[in-house]
Amino acid sequence: GAVVSQHPSWVICKSGTSVKIECRSLDFQATTMFWYRQFPKQSLMLMATSNEGSKATYEQGVEKDKFLINHASLTLSTLTVTSAHPEDSSFYICSAWGTVTYEQYFGPGTRLTVT
Amino acid sequence: AQTVTQSQPEMSVQEAETVTLSCTYDTSESDYYLFWYKQPPSRQMILVIRQEAYKQQNATENRFSVNFQKAAKSFSLKISDSQLGDAAMYFCAYKEGGSNYQLIWGAGTKLIIKP
Repeated sequence: GAVVSQHPSWVICKSGTSVKIECRSLDFQATTMFWYRQFPKQSLMLMATSNEGSKATYEQGVEKDKFLINHASLTLSTLTVTSAHPEDSSFYICSAWGTVTYEQYFGPGTRLTVT
Repeated sequence: AQTVTQSQPEMSVQEAETVTLSCTYDTSESDYYLFWYKQPPSRQMILVIRQEAYKQQNATENRFSVNFQKAAKSFSLKISDSQLGDAAMYFCAYKEGGSNYQLIWGAGTKLIIKP
């Protein structure tokens, strides 16, 4: 089946620095990718929809200047958390929509800890 | 706006027995898709089963089956012969038909398997 990878799987950064998370569709092209944030024991919260070659669409309440999303190719989307603060610590998950199989494929997630 | 409700925060079942997880949704659309995803402790989201609204027949995948009641807007998941590996968070999700690939998520149900 289709595979989505995320890198890194775990990152620790200092407050005020930026961190980039990569999401790749390994064996299919994804025109649409999604970025989620998940707090412990909670559901997935959609942050933004990433469309290849165009600007991301952010959900209400998500700071687009803080969470920069770039979808420069059909297999890669990146999420950059700028000027990270401890409250940005969370589990971030990306997903890609498979237009042939008509299902959403998920990356394994990235645990971000900001100290 | 569409909503998905999972009213059972936690369920437990004895190994080898059957358990049913509930999900209701609200939509005015006639074309849509419903999904059950499993999130084990590894936090990798795994598709369990999918139901197309236009299909009257309930979807089945091995020990997993759904009871799709379109008029009642109900979409429950039945797990037969529960196994220890079934322990996970289970999320119900909705997607409207067409090119909007966004999923609407329920709050999740934690399934505990008692050996």
